[in-house]
Amino acid sequence: DSGVTQTPKHLITATGQRVTLRCSPRSGDLSVYWYQQSLDQGLQFLIQYYNGEERAKGNILERFSAQQFPDLHSELNLSSLELGDSALYFCASSVELAVSTDTQYFGPGTRLTVL
Amino acid sequence: AQKVTQAQTEISVVEKEDVTLDCVYETRDTTYYLFWYKQPPSGELVFLIRRNSFDEQNEISGRYSWNFQKSTSSFNFTITASQVVDSAVYFCALSEANFNKFYFGSGTKLNVKP
Repeated sequence: DSGVTQTPKHLITATGQRVTLRCSPRSGDLSVYWYQQSLDQGLQFLIQYYNGEERAKGNILERFSAQQFPDLHSELNLSSLELGDSALYFCASSVELAVSTDTQYFGPGTRLTVL
Repeated sequence: AQKVTQAQTEISVVEKEDVTLDCVYETRDTTYYLFWYKQPPSGELVFLIRRNSFDEQNEISGRYSWNFQKSTSSFNFTITASQVVDSAVYFCALSEANFNKFYFGSGTKLNVKP
């Protein structure tokens, strides 16, 4: 158990809908990272938060947004869903990767299926 | 532009064989970080190692070792005396300085047969 929790584990929804994926980082970890893994695109970095502030954006669509709350949990909001958004969404956390001894810990992922 | 290439799509070995997974990267940055991750059949992702661009020392952790060569822009991963539990997809990744963005290779699926 990595200590990172993600809910829900599975989500099935229809095109055009909006969903929210939730991530709780390990206790003490300030950074949260979101990744998408799909058959078409492989593993892609979406966005990173550090202590409530957005730190970096990767290949995140405008239909997607995220935030990190004061208690450090994070939510990834996906709207106007399309079939191509079907993927496994991972969240990871770390204290601060700039510290050489730090490690990223991954949650079990949320599998999103858009029908 | 940053890019990570894992040319080996799938490798099959017999238990106890040594195996090397290749990773070649492209970047114009002088400061960057390289990673390896493991994704076993159960699907979770596991962080294995992070190496910064100024540290070319090889790293060994048990049966795992990593060879970083800036001259060839490679960061290869060797598993010595492979075991069935090593069967997984392994991803190499590159991040910019400050870990602001990550770029992943397409992964190498390793099958270790008993």
